[in-house]
Amino acid sequence: EPEVTQTPSHQVTQMGQEVILRCVPISNHLYFYWYRQILGQKVEFLVSFYNNEISEKSEIFDDQFSVERPDGSNFTLKIRSTKLEDSAMYFCASRDTSSGIQYFGAGTRLSVL
Amino acid sequence: AQRVTQPEKLLSVFKGAPVELKCNYSYSGSPELFWYVQYSRQRLQLLLRHISRESIKGFTADLNKGETSFHLKKPFAQEEDSAMYYCALRSGNQFYFGTGTSLTVIP
Repeated sequence: EPEVTQTPSHQVTQMGQEVILRCVPISNHLYFYWYRQILGQKVEFLVSFYNNEISEKSEIFDDQFSVERPDGSNFTLKIRSTKLEDSAMYFCASRDTSSGIQYFGAGTRLSVL
Repeated sequence: AQRVTQPEKLLSVFKGAPVELKCNYSYSGSPELFWYVQYSRQRLQLLLRHISRESIKGFTADLNKGETSFHLKKPFAQEEDSAMYYCALRSGNQFYFGTGTSLTVIP
């Protein structure tokens, strides 16, 4: 069964550094998403992406964040100048247009030191 | 504003007992609601959604617009149901998740 894959599974970075989290959505899906889950808190929507552009974004998704689909298969989340409070699990998801079902990746744990 | 509330952070039931995980929502339009489950060390996966009106792994959920609820129910809990359960609401291309309920089924 096809899966959404995310790399790396754990990323450790120093405060102020830039990180890129990578996702490979399921190949025939057209909608892609990034979510964040701070430890002990709920899953929070960050951004949705469709047709090579941002479809919707939350208040969390400020100028520090950007998304890209650089090569038709990867979907990346870039966080510039990371802060301690960016430490969280980041989940990528893609949505099957016909069924409307979202499929989630296993997540990347980002630790900002 | 769209909000999803799951009032119980933790819920424990005995095997074979009925279980109900509560979810309330606030939404100004016609909502599309989902239940997602996350088993230990596994990824989030869809359990069911209200438009399908189906039963998955013995779970059902009915949308009650009057009470703005979408509670998840199962008549006889099994040990393998122990997991984290998230209620979610879709608005356009945004999804709003509740804080989750951790269900433990005691053998």
